[in-house]
Order: sequence, then C-alpha cells, then structure tokens
Amino acid sequence: GESVGLHLPTLSVQEGDNSIINCAYSNSASDYFIWYKQESGKGPQFIIDIRSNMDKRQGQRVTVLLNKTVKHLSLQIAATQPGDSAVYFCAETNAGGTSYGKLTFGQGTILTVHP
Amino acid sequence: DTEVTQTPKHLVMGMTNKKSLKCEQHMGHRAMYWYKQKAKKPPELMFVYSYEKLSINESVPSRFSPECPNSSLLNLHLHALQPEDSALYLCASSQEVWNYEQYFGPGTRLTVT
Repeated sequence: GESVGLHLPTLSVQEGDNSIINCAYSNSASDYFIWYKQESGKGPQFIIDIRSNMDKRQGQRVTVLLNKTVKHLSLQIAATQPGDSAVYFCAETNAGGTSYGKLTFGQGTILTVHP
Repeated sequence: DTEVTQTPKHLVMGMTNKKSLKCEQHMGHRAMYWYKQKAKKPPELMFVYSYEKLSINESVPSRFSPECPNSSLLNLHLHALQPEDSALYLCASSQEVWNYEQYFGPGTRLTVT
C-alpha cells in the first residue's frame, strides 16, 4: 500500500549545527503533512505542518519544505540543541478526503545532538 | 491545560485477563484517538472518535474494544490479548477530526504474558 518513509533512520549532529531530516511519501492524494517529535518516554509532539498548496513554512527554529514533484518533505532545525534529541516522524493525510482524523506516520529518524 | 493523561503508565496482563486503559483530556477537544506503537516503529492508528461516536476503526481485532463515555474520556477495553499485542498504547486528541494538530498522552506500556 501507499506509505510515508524516511531516507535516513539516524542523524547525529553537533550542538549548534543545522539538522535536516528527510521524508518521502508515495500517496499523491496526500495534501497535508505534519512533523512530530517524540522524546524518550513521551508521546509525539506536534512541531509544524504544511499544506500541499505551500512549498515552505517556517516556525521557531524549524522550517518545513515540501517538494510535490518528487513527493519529498524535509524538516530543517536551526542551531540544533541537545534538547532536540528525539525521534522525528513525518505524517501525512488527505485532509480533503473522507477519512477525517486518519494520519499515516513515516518510519522515523533518530536525531542525536552531541554537546 | 494542554495535557492528555493516560492511566496506567504500565500494565502487565495475562492472556485471559480483562483490563482497561484510560485517557482523559480537558481541552474541550471533540476528537480522540487510540494508536498502537511497537518499539522503534511509528504510531499506528487504531480508532478515531468524533463527538463521542466511533468514526474510524482500522480493522482492529475485537479483543480491543474502545469506548467514549463522554467528550473528555476515552477507554480501551482489553480482553484475551496475545503476546504480540504488547506495545505502547497512545491516546491523542484534537479540536475536531479535521484538525490534525493532535495532542498525545505519554502512553500506556502494555505487556501481555
């Protein structure tokens, strides 16, 4: 079936570096994408979202880029801090479809930030 | 209050036991969700409730029985589980089902022996 996946399962960076986490999706009907952060022992936490009518969205220290042509999504974290260490999941849905509430998560990337 | 609480934090049960997981939110959200997460895997949607009515069941086995007694509470009743059902069970809520900013609880770590 169609799925959302990640290119890199792990990413290790130094504190202060910029981090880029990638995600590929295959469902061309997906029109809404979200990045979640899951720290050890916690549930996922919403970071930022983007709709398919946009190609870039910025938040505080984070930027999400969407390339619909190649079905690729990325999360950029500026000046990465040790507190950013977590598993990052992209998730997708067809917000305009009939399965309201149904999010499909990608496989996740483990980000480790070294002081 | 932007918190989703789940009890218990940990649960060990035998295959013949009946137990329940509980989830609560006081954010006035009208959509609530159950997810299952195996180790080193992404969360997988199980059930969606909208205005206390079940709107999505992702073909979950009947040994898992959800219940939404009111807009703040969500239960997951467990009966005759299998060892492969051992996982982290996450509850989430959002303002409406078409609002995808979901707030997750910390989960219940379930072990079936």
